[in-house]
This record gives sequence, C-alpha cells and structure tokens, in this order.
Amino acid sequence: EIVLTQSPGTLSLSPGERATLSCRASQSVSNRYLAWYQHKPGQAPRVVIYGASSRAAGIPDRFSGSGSGTDFTLTISRLEPEDFAVYFCQQYSSSVWTFGQGTKVEIK
Amino acid sequence: QVQLQESGPGLVKPSGTLSLTCTVSGGSITTTNWWSWVRQSPGKGLEWIGDVYYTGTTNYSPSLKSRVTMSVDTSKNQFSLMLASVTAADTAFYYCARDSMDSYWYFDLWGRGTLVSVSS
Repeated sequence: EIVLTQSPGTLSLSPGERATLSCRASQSVSNRYLAWYQHKPGQAPRVVIYGASSRAAGIPDRFSGSGSGTDFTLTISRLEPEDFAVYFCQQYSSSVWTFGQGTKVEIK
Repeated sequence: QVQLQESGPGLVKPSGTLSLTCTVSGGSITTTNWWSWVRQSPGKGLEWIGDVYYTGTTNYSPSLKSRVTMSVDTSKNQFSLMLASVTAADTAFYYCARDSMDSYWYFDLWGRGTLVSVSS
C-alpha cells in the first residue's frame, strides 16, 4: 500500500499570500491517479485537482497542481477567504485508494 | 444532477455492526463508476474503506478487510456498508463517494457525510 505524507501539517497564512502544499508518496504514483481535495467542516470534500495538474470544473485558476513520481505540489497563488480549509492528496494503486493525512490552511 | 445521500443509525454499540446506506439520486448506479465509502475519525485524515461495482464486485482497504462487507441494491439505486465488531476507534464521519475512473481516476462526487458514534 502506498503511503502519502503531506507537509506541512498546518499552514498559517494571510489572504493574498501564496500557499504551497506538498504530498510525497512512498512509491511512484501515476499522474493519472493523483488528486487533491478541499474539505471544509460540515461539507463534503470536493476535488480541486485531478491527474496531478488538471483543475476540476469550477475551480479558479489560482489553484494549480504539479509534480510526478513521488513528489506532488498543490499551489494556491493568492489565498482568498474561501480557500482556508483542509487539503488532502489521494492516489490509486493496485485496487487501493489512499489519502494523505491533510494540510490545514488557516488564517494567520 | 447526481447526488449521494448517506443514511443509517448515528449510534452503534461496541462489538456491534455499523450499517450505512448511500442512495444515488438523479442518475443510475449501474454505470461504469465504482462506489466508495470513506471515513474521517475525529482529528484525523480521510481513510478509504472500500468500493463496490454495481455487479457486486468489491475492493476493500487491507486494514479493514476482515470486518467490512459492501453490497449494491440496483433496484433501489443504493449501495451499502457493513462494518463488524466496531470499537470506539470506528467513531467517525462516514462519506459515500463516486469513483470517476475514466482517463483520470479520482472521486468526483461525494455525499455530505453522516456521523456514527460507537458507544454503550
């Protein structure tokens, strides 16, 4: 089973700042199977990036994904108030899905 | 549009069996998608439990495999989760989700989740 490790655990930033979130896999992951989700309390998680770098429908272009192999990054170029949330990365391999433990992006 | 809604008891006794159902509305469950269950324990990250195809074929998380059973009822457009021998560690928000497995694989639709507490 591939383990995903996200860092940092918490990012304390101000609106307008840039957020850079990391997701590292214990083994190589196909870009086709790497996604990022945004999760707010009381809401369903929603996909923001799929295929490592493709923005999901309705996701603003300040969100971008990059990386390959074992290192992936989610970048939010200029944080808006609605972006403060927990972000999870996810991968699929050998009929098993796994998630990272999450990065909380909080208002500084 | 397609929506998912979890339902089931919010309280289960220790050593009992947790049972949840996810109803698919606005579309059919008999598509090329798989259907997943995911949970989030208090203060922890998301944990995939398993998924099921409309034919009844399943995949389970290795860590939960011995206690999990998933099934589909195509006549009701529902899929279900049973988790046996529960303990307090199984207290969590439980979500159902749709696996999009086309050119890219990810969960493109989620339910709002339901809280299940394990307590006597």
